Amino acid sequence: EDQVTQSPEALRLQEGESSSLNCSYTVSGLRGLFWYRQDPGKGPEFLFTLYSAGEEKEKERLKATLTKKESFLHITAPKPEDSATYLCAVQAPWGNNRLAFGKGNQVVVIP
Amino acid sequence: DAGVIQSPRHEVTEMGQEVTLRCKPISGHDYLFWYRQTMMRGLELLIYFNNNVPIDDSGMPEDRFSAKMPNASFSTLKIQPSEPRDSAVYFCASSFGEAGYTFGSGTRLTVV
Repeated sequence: EDQVTQSPEALRLQEGESSSLNCSYTVSGLRGLFWYRQDPGKGPEFLFTLYSAGEEKEKERLKATLTKKESFLHITAPKPEDSATYLCAVQAPWGNNRLAFGKGNQVVVIP
Repeated sequence: DAGVIQSPRHEVTEMGQEVTLRCKPISGHDYLFWYRQTMMRGLELLIYFNNNVPIDDSGMPEDRFSAKMPNASFSTLKIQPSEPRDSAVYFCASSFGEAGYTFGSGTRLTVV
């Protein structure tokens, strides 16, 4: 069954138009929730890890938040270089160190 | 550090041929993962190793797939015989403990 669902699948933003990406998860006993950025033709690049509800982390124009059922990746005043696919992954108690990934949010920022 | 190194970057092969993908993890990392990425299914975990020992290979599609990690600095993923439905991007990733993974640049496999 799907453990990680990301929405929207694709998003087009004007430069400067803030928005949020959603990652819903169904695993119990979450050990960690990870956000990655993937550019075309490249491997995913680590952004954040969140461990408990209420936790927030920021990096430049990105801020990730976590609740008991979902995580949000907020993009504030995006620039064209923020165009990428953003992947969410969960680390559950059922495996040593395995991550289950969602299918991603494809973001295009138009100048 | 050069990061996780995968080779080849691109591989085109004919159906029925053997394909070997290679990965050099980051030195000091104790976990190594093989993932496959397709548009339809996203990133799927195939197998992972801890200290060179295979821990979970439940994601390996079938007996045509095999993976080895003979030492801490090298792993291979082999497909024999290859089929068109194996066409995908294959990623290797490594981590130290439960920290975030570092991914390689991937191998784009096309089976014709």
